[in-house]
Amino acid sequence: DVKVTQSSRYLVKRTGEKVFLECVQDMDHENMFWYRQDPGLGLRLIYFSYDVKMKEKGDIPEGYSVSREKKERFSLILESASTNQTSMYLCASSPALGGSPLHFGNGTRLTVT
Amino acid sequence: ELKVEQNPLFLSMQEGKNYTIYCNYSTTSDRLYWYRQDPGKSLESLFVLLSNGAVKQEGRLMASLDTKARLSTLHITAAVHDLSATYFCASSSGGTSYGKLTFGQGTILTVHP
Repeated sequence: DVKVTQSSRYLVKRTGEKVFLECVQDMDHENMFWYRQDPGLGLRLIYFSYDVKMKEKGDIPEGYSVSREKKERFSLILESASTNQTSMYLCASSPALGGSPLHFGNGTRLTVT
Repeated sequence: ELKVEQNPLFLSMQEGKNYTIYCNYSTTSDRLYWYRQDPGKSLESLFVLLSNGAVKQEGRLMASLDTKARLSTLHITAAVHDLSATYFCASSSGGTSYGKLTFGQGTILTVHP
């Protein structure tokens, strides 16, 4: 079974702090994704990566950056956290072959105060 | 830009009844995915529909895809309480999109005795 592990289940940070969300997958998947989930809005794509050191902006990249130094690890960085970034963050991975579903981690609930 | 819309967003059903969740998407797509999310949990893949006319069934859930109408349906037969969850559809525009999915808003399903 594919396992996608997010390092924190809950995080509370202050406005202006730099925040790192970590995600690791164990199935040698090429693609990795960061989504945020907000009630009534579904999941919105922040960034994705299709290879090591490669990244592409999703639909809502403002205020975020990412890093993929190793194939199994994809990090989401909030350079200066703001209250409107309070949300559930979901990491996912999939193989390069099209048609496969995304495999999601358990999510990180981030609260910015 | 691919947009995905679900309806209804809230669905309250009695046990034993049938109902359908609709998923419309805005641009040509050859792939449609259905996910389930239980409260406080991550997303679990239910169905992957990869061609026009595709139909898949698992227990009391059946999903279908009509690419000409840009419509997928998730039909629930004889609902039971265990089906209470949030259901998401998602679409991919394929090609070089690297498997990134655009999600609908989600349908919160509650099944009452």
